[in-house]
Amino acid sequence: KAGVTQTPRYLIKTRGQQVTLSCSPISGHRSVSWYQQTPGQGLQFLFEYFSETQRNKGNFPGRFSGRQFSNSRSEMNVSTLELGDSALYLCASSLLYRGATGNTIYFGEGSWLTVV
Amino acid sequence: AQTVTQSQPEMSVQEAETVTLSCTYDTSESDYYLFWYKQPPSRQMILVIRQEAYKQQNATENRFSVNFQKAAKSFSLKISDSQLGDAAMYFCAYRTLLNTGTASKLTFGTGTRLQVTL
Repeated sequence: KAGVTQTPRYLIKTRGQQVTLSCSPISGHRSVSWYQQTPGQGLQFLFEYFSETQRNKGNFPGRFSGRQFSNSRSEMNVSTLELGDSALYLCASSLLYRGATGNTIYFGEGSWLTVV
Repeated sequence: AQTVTQSQPEMSVQEAETVTLSCTYDTSESDYYLFWYKQPPSRQMILVIRQEAYKQQNATENRFSVNFQKAAKSFSLKISDSQLGDAAMYFCAYRTLLNTGTASKLTFGTGTRLQVTL
């Protein structure tokens, strides 16, 4: 079974540009969530989608947005990039039902974003 | 809101020895899940072990085991027979027990960097 797949793995953008990151969850997983990891702030929750609906959002500015498609694939977008947006962006998926397996969240390898 | 605290920024262990990583959390909920994730230099988050709060028995996965003390809100990870491949950043994480409509957000600690020496 394929894991969570994120593309692109590495990218460099200029301040003011926008970026779109893509995530394909594990087959059958309908919940997709995104996290930002930086040395200073650690791992922070961005948002979560389930059945194409955003169900939870972290404390990030409106420049950070996302969506989920009918096949559960998700994209996140960051507009008007700032230097501080340089980070590892991790996507995760979950079955989302009661029980240990349904409550476990599996991560992709991440997308490294560098803003210059 | 839940918080997770890992008070050991770095730990070191010799190969084949045992090491314990500490984690405490704060929550007002009675049912939840706790996880340990490993993040090697590749930066992929790999699930090490999970514990359901309603289970009194401590979870074990091969060389990895936890000491779950619900009343003390403590969730430590023990790695036995440490191997060079265990060197990584280890994160403790909390998740609310899933009910209908509950989001799947994980709350992470700040991590413990584990070094394994020969």
